Amino acid sequence: DAKTTQPPSMDCAEGRAANLPCNHSTISGNEYVYWYRQIHSQGPQYIIHGLKNNETNEMASLIITEDRKSSTLILPHATLRDTAVYYCTGNQFYFGTGTSLTVIP
Amino acid sequence: EPEVTQTPSHQVTQMGQEVILRCVPISNHLYFYWYRQILGQKVEFLVSFYNNEISEKSEIFDDQFSVERPDGSNFTLKIRSTKLEDSAMYFCASKQAPNTGELFFGEGSRLTVL
Repeated sequence: DAKTTQPPSMDCAEGRAANLPCNHSTISGNEYVYWYRQIHSQGPQYIIHGLKNNETNEMASLIITEDRKSSTLILPHATLRDTAVYYCTGNQFYFGTGTSLTVIP
Repeated sequence: EPEVTQTPSHQVTQMGQEVILRCVPISNHLYFYWYRQILGQKVEFLVSFYNNEISEKSEIFDDQFSVERPDGSNFTLKIRSTKLEDSAMYFCASKQAPNTGELFFGEGSRLTVL
């Protein structure tokens, strides 16, 4: 079962890069790492996912360590609208408590 | 952009009453899920559903809960006899493929049990 560990909260200045870490040491070899975010009490929103290689899309970049025990989500230029709770998940069943990111003006 | 829709957005019920929460997944998706989130807590997996049967369920999904896909579009969560602790936001999600691809979540149904 791919349990994840994330810091409970982080702050980031507007316009700067936000780097959100996640430990997923129990992830299995064929499980992707997914990142979602939840703004207020809305439904979680998909951001990005990856297996072994680093990934980038229009929202973010995902850096996965070679041993796949951890990953980092990077929001390259954080805006106030990026203030949310960010979840990493291995099997998309267990979401954990996430990281509450606050983007500061 | 296609989306998952949920109804009702908010339901208030008395303890012991039956509640049905409805979801319309994205039309070409085959895998369906329910999650719940108690206020201020994490998102918790309840159940996954594929090919008209439950494929996974959590410890939370006990005999008081059931899911059904009564027709080609709706996916429902029934709580037979609600308890105070069932008060939560319930999210439906769907996706196309089993092992890859992202979940698309609805905006949730808030259930308040009095």
